[in-house]
Amino acid sequence: EAGVVQSPRYKIIEKKQPVAFWCNPISGHNTLYWYLQNLGQGPELLIRYENEEAVDDSQLPKDRFSAERLKGVDSTLKIQPAELGDSAVYLCASSPGTSQTDEQFFGPGTRLTVL
Amino acid sequence: AQSVTQLGSHVSVSEGALVLLRCNYSSSVPPYLFWYVQYPNQGLQLLLKYTSAATLVKGINGFEAEFKKSETSFHLTKPSAHMSDAAEYFCAVSPMGGKLIFGQGTELSVKP
Repeated sequence: EAGVVQSPRYKIIEKKQPVAFWCNPISGHNTLYWYLQNLGQGPELLIRYENEEAVDDSQLPKDRFSAERLKGVDSTLKIQPAELGDSAVYLCASSPGTSQTDEQFFGPGTRLTVL
Repeated sequence: AQSVTQLGSHVSVSEGALVLLRCNYSSSVPPYLFWYVQYPNQGLQLLLKYTSAATLVKGINGFEAEFKKSETSFHLTKPSAHMSDAAEYFCAVSPMGGKLIFGQGTELSVKP
């Protein structure tokens, strides 16, 4: 079974440029998460989807960040414009349901560097 | 609000020695707790989880953790470290809604 797929794996951009990350979750997983992981820190939730609905986006900086999961499968996270402080790893995860005990399966992440 | 604190950002052990990574939680309700491992340039992988069924939880790769309510702890242990155990380890708690709240991580180094 394929795991969570993310692309690109690495991205280097200049500040004020836009950037987009793509995630394809494990087949059949209805719940999708985007996490931000700063260097030396644990991941922090940005947004959580149940199917195509964003059910928790309270930590998403909506002035520059946006996300979509139009058909309830793959998802895109966008930053426009990027700032130096956005340099981090962006992780996508999926789980089969919304139970507190469901395992979340993580992709390898996209490492963003903003110059 | 629920949270976890990992004591020690870096732990170094010799190969074959006991591994002990510490995690304390804060929660007003019985928590669901997880340990994840992250190898360089990879995503996080679940080691084990506590869901109130048993206080001693066995996971993959020989790791286990014991839930101690009196100490609000969920420390991760492995009797004998292997070089391949070198990685970053994260403790996490799952409040309502299914999201995970992670600790800051502990980097484990294993010396030959």
